Amino acid sequence: GDSVTQMEGPVTLSEEACLTINCTYTATGYPSLFWYVQYPGEGLQLLLKATKADDKGSNKGFEATYRKETTSFHLEKGSVQVSDSAVYFCAPDTGGFKTIFGAGTRLFVKA
Amino acid sequence: GAGVSQSPRYKVTKRGQDVALRCDPISGHVSLYWYRQALGQGPEFLTYFNYEAQQDKSGLPNDRFSAERPEGSISTLTIQRTEQRDSAMYRCASSYSQETQYFGPGTRLLVL
Repeated sequence: GDSVTQMEGPVTLSEEACLTINCTYTATGYPSLFWYVQYPGEGLQLLLKATKADDKGSNKGFEATYRKETTSFHLEKGSVQVSDSAVYFCAPDTGGFKTIFGAGTRLFVKA
Repeated sequence: GAGVSQSPRYKVTKRGQDVALRCDPISGHVSLYWYRQALGQGPEFLTYFNYEAQQDKSGLPNDRFSAERPEGSISTLTIQRTEQRDSAMYRCASSYSQETQYFGPGTRLLVL
C-alpha cells in the first residue's frame, strides 16, 4: 500500500547550519507532495508543496524538489534559525483526498 | 478570515462515555477531513467529506466511531463507549481544492 518514510528525529542543529530531512514514499501514480510544519503549541500548517515531477516547492527559505525517479521529496534549508524549531511532516497526497503523513521529524535549533 | 476551529480543545471523559467532537471549517471549503494523531506520530486519516457526503470512512478504527456533516459545513466526530486507547489528539482539516489542507488546533481527548 501507499506509505511514506521520513528521517527519524530529533535533529539538533546550531543556528545557521544546513538542514536536510529525508522523505521517500511509495504510491500509485504521481501524487502531490507536501511538507507540513507544526510549531510548538500550534496546529499543522502547510510549509510547501510540489504537484509534479521536478517541481520545486519553496517557502521561508525551505525547499524540496519532487524527484519521481527516486520517489523522494527531501526538505532542505541552507541556514536554519532558532525559530525553525518545530516538527516537520512529509505528506504525499495519494488519492486526491487521502493524504498520508510521515511520523514527523522534530528539529531543535540552538542559538 | 477565521481558520478552522474545533471544540472542545480538551476533553477528559471516563471509559464507557460517549463524546462528540466538533469541527467548524473555513467558510466555503467543500472538503473536510478528520485525523487522529497519537503522541510522537503523524496524523492518521479517519474520514473525509465532500460537502455533506462522506466519501471515505475507511480510516475509522471500528463501529464506535462515526462522523457526520449534515449541512456540508460543521462536522461532528462521535466516539461511543470510549476506551482508554481512544486517547489522542483529534484533528480536523478543510480544503477548497482537495490539495492544501488547513488544520484546526485539534481536540485533545483523554479517556480515564
